[in-house]
Order: sequence, then structure tokens, then C-alpha cells
Amino acid sequence: LAKTTQPVSMDSYEGQEVNITCSHNNIATNDYITWYQQFPSQGPRFIIQGYKTKVTNEVASLFIPADRKSSTLSLPRVSLSDTAVYYCLSERDDKIIFGKGTRLHILP
Amino acid sequence: GAVVSQHPSRVICKSGTSVKIECRSLDFQATTMFWYRQFPKQSLMLMATSNEGSKATYEQGVEKDKFLINHASLTLSTLTVTSAHPEDSSFYICSARSGFGADTQYFGPGTRLTVL
Repeated sequence: LAKTTQPVSMDSYEGQEVNITCSHNNIATNDYITWYQQFPSQGPRFIIQGYKTKVTNEVASLFIPADRKSSTLSLPRVSLSDTAVYYCLSERDDKIIFGKGTRLHILP
Repeated sequence: GAVVSQHPSRVICKSGTSVKIECRSLDFQATTMFWYRQFPKQSLMLMATSNEGSKATYEQGVEKDKFLINHASLTLSTLTVTSAHPEDSSFYICSARSGFGADTQYFGPGTRLTVL
């Protein structure tokens, strides 16, 4: 399974667009990239998943370049409630391993 | 859709007792369920993977005789912490997946275990 590397923490302000980049240099052909959000004392919540290029849903966009060695989660116009830990994972049909995640702190 | 529940949400027990945590997929059949443990300010650590009707596969360093996992149906998996000790106090989270390939995991809300 590909090991992922993310910034430990990030700060941003309400209303801004936040981009969190994750590197996964050893990603395998069958791996998908999935991002989860976790609030304190709650289970992770699925945000978005992609294989390559760009994926967009109602809460985020995911950009994956052609070499798939990195991915960027984009959160448009963040609010205080987006303060959480964000995990980037490579996921196949067996299991996923969580990295340390990025602690995002949104300031008023 | 894709809702996973856990019961109880929190439990406090005395040292030496056993605690059972249930994980249910409410609106889909989960061929595979996963159990994680999370200590404060740390990431989730995978403990074991269970497939319906077969024995669980435990990660290295996780004692299978201490953390008993049963996946008796496609909607229910249980984790029993036997002879719990204070160092077992943690946040236990399950996840479930219905199939293979790109089918993602959906996580339960977690169970806070405190062993006195």
C-alpha cells in the first residue's frame, strides 16, 4: 500500500479556498485516492475519491495529476465547521492504512 | 445511504472485565468490516479485517485472543475486548465495505472505551 505524506497542519480563514496536497509516490496501479474528514470523537467521514484527473462533488474537488504521485483536495469557501483532521489514503480492495493526516484550523 | 452504526457509543468498565462492541451496516451488506483503534491526537490504527463467515485477519502486534472479532452476518461484526486493562482505553472505530475495487469504506461513529 502506498505511504502517503501530508502537511501536519494548516490554518486558513473563513471564506477562503483551502488546498491540501498529499504525496503518494509509491501508489500502485489499482489504488484509488480517497480523502476522509474526522472531527474529534467521531468516525472519519468520506469526502471524495478519485483515480486520476479531476473529481468534483458537492463538498470538494480532488485533483490528481497524470503520474498520480500526488493529489490535492480543494475545499471551496471554508467555514469554521470545516476545522477537522483530513486524511489522504490510497485504497484498494483489501484494506487502507491511515497516515497522520492534516489538522486544518479555520479562523474567523 | 451507507450508514454504519456502533453500540455502545461509550462504555466504562472495571479492569479485568470484558466489553463487547457492535458494528452494524444499516442499509447495505458488508462483505468486509474493519476495526480501528485511535488514541488521543493520533491517527487511526488498523487492528483487524474481518470477512463475513471467516476468521479475522489481525495486524501485527494485535493480540487475537484479547480482541475477539466475530463477523457472523453481512450486517454485523462484534469486537470483544477481553480482560480489559486501563491501557486498552481508547476510541474504537469500525468501518464496512460492501464489495471490492473502488467501493469505499464507511465508518461508524466510534466507541469510547474507558477502563478503570
